Amino acid sequence: DIQMTQSPSSLSASVGDRVTITCRASQSISSYLNWYQQKPGKAPKFLIYTASTLQSGVPSRFSGSGSGTDFTLTISSLQPEDFATYYCQQSYNIPQTFGQGTKVEIK
Amino acid sequence: QEQLVQSGAEVKKPGASVRVSCKASGYTFTGFYIHWVRQAPGQGLEWMGWINPYSGGTNYAQKFQGRVTMTRDTSISTAYMELSRLTSDDTAVYFCARSTIAALRGDYWGQGSLVIVSS
Repeated sequence: DIQMTQSPSSLSASVGDRVTITCRASQSISSYLNWYQQKPGKAPKFLIYTASTLQSGVPSRFSGSGSGTDFTLTISSLQPEDFATYYCQQSYNIPQTFGQGTKVEIK
Repeated sequence: QEQLVQSGAEVKKPGASVRVSCKASGYTFTGFYIHWVRQAPGQGLEWMGWINPYSGGTNYAQKFQGRVTMTRDTSISTAYMELSRLTSDDTAVYFCARSTIAALRGDYWGQGSLVIVSS
């Protein structure tokens, strides 16, 4: 199975901060990398697919980059509604695996 | 608008089976894959497999092979996930998610169904 490792596991930030989350795959996954946002008690929300394509309706302050084994999710200016846990997920092969999550908390 | 509505919470005893349903509305049910993903309390997300509602074809994570069965009823636009031989490790929220392709790109998700396994 492909292991997905996110860093950091958690971070504290203020509204307006630029936030970057890293996701590393245990082998090359080309650009088959998706990002989700999850709030407590809710289903994940789809943010980005194929590493850098923004899902329809997702604010442009979210962006993704990377290919191969190293990927990043960036929030350019953190908003109050962005405090949540973020997961990366590879869809390169089966089983499709997720990172362990990065919790973004209010500083 | 597109929506996936799942069945309610279940409490099961170890060794039993559970079936969770996922009813689709607002789109052509047979035009999209349905994936199942679970989340144990306080833990991350775990992919279980998918079903193609058009063909009925399935693909399961090896971890669940032999214990999971995914089916669908196209007449009522509903997908099902049945998990057998439950243990306490299966206590989790189970989500269904829609995807345009076999590779999971979950653009719409159900609200989740809590399954508790306890004696």
